[in-house]
Amino acid sequence: AQSVSQHNHHVILSEAASLELGCNYSYGGTVNLFWYVQYPGQHLQLLLKYFSGDPLVKGIKGFEAEFIKSKFSFNLRKPSVQWSDTAEYFCAVNYNNAGNMLTFGGGTRLMVKP
Amino acid sequence: DTEVTQTPKHLVMGMTNKKSLKCEQHMGHRAMYWYKQKAKKPPELMFVYSYEKLSINESVPSRFSPECPNSSLLNLHLHALQPEDSALYLCASSQGRLINEKLFFGSGTQLSVL
Repeated sequence: AQSVSQHNHHVILSEAASLELGCNYSYGGTVNLFWYVQYPGQHLQLLLKYFSGDPLVKGIKGFEAEFIKSKFSFNLRKPSVQWSDTAEYFCAVNYNNAGNMLTFGGGTRLMVKP
Repeated sequence: DTEVTQTPKHLVMGMTNKKSLKCEQHMGHRAMYWYKQKAKKPPELMFVYSYEKLSINESVPSRFSPECPNSSLLNLHLHALQPEDSALYLCASSQGRLINEKLFFGSGTQLSVL
């Protein structure tokens, strides 16, 4: 079965620290990759996405992610986090261009201490 | 208006009750989705509607009955639910069902079944 794994369930950082959240997906053919963020009490928002081309993708709010096909990974990074980045982050995969259907990872709760 | 609005925000119901969740968007989107998100778990796809027709039912029990009365509205009718159905129910919409079309999520209805 197709699956998406986020190994860090909870991450606590101080402001200005660098962030890297892991995401690995199971092989399943063509993949389109996404990172969503869910701020406390708010809806899921798209941070960035990868369909093809440059494997280093830049998103909103200074986030970026790198697609490494050989490792089946799509890790999220930010050089310097802010308190306002406190949220839950979900990696998601669409397999084989299947009609906008997403398989989500388990999520990573990020807490940034001021 | 780039929002997906879900009502109610919170719902408590007994196992014999009948209730409905509502989702509304006025972005002209023709694809709408129901996701279920249990606590500390990722969202899981339940149903997909495309042009007001049910196109995907991810083996959801019949006690959940979706309805799409028009292109702006998506309902989820609930009957004889179980306590394990307690979860956050998320609605999403997109212009169509092509993978490069952005998903817009609502804030969800937090459902508790007693």
